[in-house]
Amino acid sequence: SQTIHQWPATLVQPVGSPLSLECTVEGTSNPNLYWYRQAAGRGLQLLFYSVGIGQISSEVPQNLSASRPQDRQFILSSKKLLLSDSGFYLCAWSVPGTSGEQFFGPGTRLTVL
Amino acid sequence: GNSVTQMEGPVTLSEEAFLTINCTYTATGYPSLFWYVQYPGEGLQLLLKATKADDKGSNKGFEATYRKETTSFHLEKGSVQVSDSAVYFCALSDVNRDDKIIFGKGTRLHILP
Repeated sequence: SQTIHQWPATLVQPVGSPLSLECTVEGTSNPNLYWYRQAAGRGLQLLFYSVGIGQISSEVPQNLSASRPQDRQFILSSKKLLLSDSGFYLCAWSVPGTSGEQFFGPGTRLTVL
Repeated sequence: GNSVTQMEGPVTLSEEAFLTINCTYTATGYPSLFWYVQYPGEGLQLLLKATKADDKGSNKGFEATYRKETTSFHLEKGSVQVSDSAVYFCALSDVNRDDKIIFGKGTRLHILP
């Protein structure tokens, strides 16, 4: 069966520090991959999605970036964190060309101080 | 463009009460419709889905019917439990549009014992 992992589970970082969040999927090949952010009390904002290795589409201009170095690995990065980057970051995957159902990881709680 | 509108919360009910969370959508094409649930501190889980008009999705006592004529997908449960307390997201996807999912803003549900 398929599983999705995210780490770390929680992270506290100072403003201006770098960020690297990792997401890996097991049990499937060539998935679509997604990064979302959920700010406190708000809905989901799609940040990036990827349909293959090295293929990244950005939904919202910001100081974050994403990379997909391997088929089932998706990384969210920043060179310098802002206070507004605090939130709950969710990774998800889906099978391309199906009904579109997405499967979510457990999330990373990021607090920028 | 495609969009999802769901009732704002929080919704507070007593245990064993009847639940309805309204959801309407705007879409071109033939989207699939979903309800996701997010328990505190966790990622989203698919609760139920419907892929075509008049389909009824059901799971854990929850139901929703894909109504094309009213562009709605209301979530219902006949008798809620304290363990149903969570945030519920209505969502749609169109596989013809990059397999992305459009989420509503979420409805927080509190069930009182």
